[in-house]
Amino acid sequence: AQSVAQPEDQVNVAEGNPLTVKCTYSVSGNPYLFWYVQYPNRGLQFLLKYITGDNLVKGSYGFEAEFNKSQTSFHLKKPSALVSDSALYFCAVSNSGGYQKVTFGTGTKLQVIP
Amino acid sequence: EAQVTQNPRYLITVTGKKLTVTCSQNMNHEYMSWYRQDPGLGLRQIYYSMNVEVTDKGDVPEGYKVSRKEKRNFPLILESPSPNQTSLYFCASSTDGSVNEQFFGPGTRLTVL
Repeated sequence: AQSVAQPEDQVNVAEGNPLTVKCTYSVSGNPYLFWYVQYPNRGLQFLLKYITGDNLVKGSYGFEAEFNKSQTSFHLKKPSALVSDSALYFCAVSNSGGYQKVTFGTGTKLQVIP
Repeated sequence: EAQVTQNPRYLITVTGKKLTVTCSQNMNHEYMSWYRQDPGLGLRQIYYSMNVEVTDKGDVPEGYKVSRKEKRNFPLILESPSPNQTSLYFCASSTDGSVNEQFFGPGTRLTVL
């Protein structure tokens, strides 16, 4: 069975500081990893994904994530946080097995403090 | 405009009264999926469909039914809703559920009394 862990319910960061939102995963076979963001009263929006290739992937709104196979992690990062980045962030995993089942984490609320 | 639509957006019902939440996408996507979102539990996949007439269970399928008779529609059916199905429901679609991003609908907030 595949799983995703987001160990922090909430992350607080000052505006302008770098931010990290953590994600670890467990899956059989090659992992496909995603980050989504949810603003209040909205559906989820795709930020970035790792399928294969370069371990550092860049996405929307200046976000990036680093795939670390040995640590089974896919942490979301941004060099300089904006107040408008405050939202709920979800990590998700699927795999190369062909079943297309997707497992999401419990979400991390990011609060950027002005 | 490319989008996933869900109806209704809000629904209050009573235990045991059958209901259907509709989902439609206009992007010609093969893959569609239903999730429920609950505080502290994140998003949990209920059912997904890789193409017309092909559906499979996600992590929490109990108490739900789905059908995929045509590519654009993927309704979620609660034959006998119970209070523990009170939740925020999202439909999503993608060209491929494994490797490609999903496009999410706006959500349906369901309350079962």
